[in-house]
Amino acid sequence: DAMVIQNPRYQVTQFGKPVTLSCSQTLNHNVMYWYQQKSSQAPKLLFHYYDKDFNNEADTPDNFQSRRPNTSFCFLDIRSPGLGDAAMYLCATSREAPLATSSYEQYFGPGTRLTVT
Amino acid sequence: AQSVTQPDIHITVSEGASLELRCNYSYGATPYLFWYVQSPGQGLQLLLKYFSGDTLVQGIKGFEAEFKRSQSSFNLRKPSVHWSDAAEYFCAVVRRLNSGYSTLTFGKGTMLLVSP
Repeated sequence: DAMVIQNPRYQVTQFGKPVTLSCSQTLNHNVMYWYQQKSSQAPKLLFHYYDKDFNNEADTPDNFQSRRPNTSFCFLDIRSPGLGDAAMYLCATSREAPLATSSYEQYFGPGTRLTVT
Repeated sequence: AQSVTQPDIHITVSEGASLELRCNYSYGATPYLFWYVQSPGQGLQLLLKYFSGDTLVQGIKGFEAEFKRSQSSFNLRKPSVHWSDAAEYFCAVVRRLNSGYSTLTFGKGTMLLVSP
């Protein structure tokens, strides 16, 4: 089955120690998103890729970076995690073309729960 | 800017009872609206979506939603709730970007608790 996979499902890191979360997809979608979701809150968009074009939300901290080496994979790098970065990180994909009718539907992975000690 | 409001943070429903979760949107034109469900520790799963046409849309797991332009609402309903429906429900609206692409803006969610 086509899907969005996130690894690991649970990640524990130390305060200030860089960490990388990964996402892969078999849907061949051109758009990939990273969301941060804190407890009992809505998912908050961090950034997204349209093919190789990177788009950063204005309020995403510089501490968060992303890489998309190919269509299937996308990585979220947190350079110096703080206690406030503990959250669920969700990867999502969609197929879209600019200024054209698209489904707009996003397919989500199961998430990575990040704990910062 | 496009946004959605879910006025209820928590709702408790008895198993077998009917359910309605509220969602109000803010958008000048016809919005593209979604309902997603999130079980504990899991990602989001699409329940249903509305783009145009019939204002009553059917989704998975027996859910439906009705788009009411006059009330700027897109409420989610289910006639008989099962214990497995206990989860968090998010309403979302498509937000257009200057680039011509789009993303989703989510409401804050409604946690559904199902009592025996």
